[in-house]
Amino acid sequence: GESVGLHLPTLSVQEGDNSIINCAYSNSASDYFIWYKQESGKGPQFIIDIRSNMDKRQGQRVTVLLNKTVKHLSLQIAATQPGDSAVYFCAETVNDMRFGAGTRLTVKP
Amino acid sequence: DGGITQSPKYLFRKEGQNVTLSCEQNLNHDAMYWYRQDPGQGLRLIYYSQIVNDFQKGDIAEGYSVSREKKESFPLTVTSAQKNPTAFYLCASSAGGGAFEQYFGPGTRLTVT
Repeated sequence: GESVGLHLPTLSVQEGDNSIINCAYSNSASDYFIWYKQESGKGPQFIIDIRSNMDKRQGQRVTVLLNKTVKHLSLQIAATQPGDSAVYFCAETVNDMRFGAGTRLTVKP
Repeated sequence: DGGITQSPKYLFRKEGQNVTLSCEQNLNHDAMYWYRQDPGQGLRLIYYSQIVNDFQKGDIAEGYSVSREKKESFPLTVTSAQKNPTAFYLCASSAGGGAFEQYFGPGTRLTVT
């Protein structure tokens, strides 16, 4: 069946380095994608979104890349900080929103 | 100050008791959702409501019930029929009408012993 998934369940980076979190999706009809950040014991927070008619979108220190050919979504975080440590989810939308399992990002000082 | 509130943050119940989790939003959103999150897993949809007085089952509705009598409120009842109720429960809302971005509450951690 259609699903949203992530390549890696955990990612550890050094403070100041760039982070790249990946997400694979299988529903070619998905037309809207969101990255959420979830800190321990809290609800997910919106980071950035992208529509299927775009291949790149930038925010403050974050960039989302969409490759529709291989059905791949990535979140790039520049100059990763300790406050970026969290679980990051991708979500895809066709008629409703479906979430991936998440990647836990740990930032080492 | 707009947002979604869930209460309480932590809830403890004995097995066999029903328990109701609160979710309130003042964003004037039409759609509201309930998710369950287990350790190391993604969000699983329990119930959703796209409009007042209407709601639909999600992927794991068995053992749960909801109501949507008011636009701003979408309480979830975890019944004694739910086999494994201990989990982190998240409520979300979206504007609806093609606006898919969901805004989440802080969650309620339910422990049933």
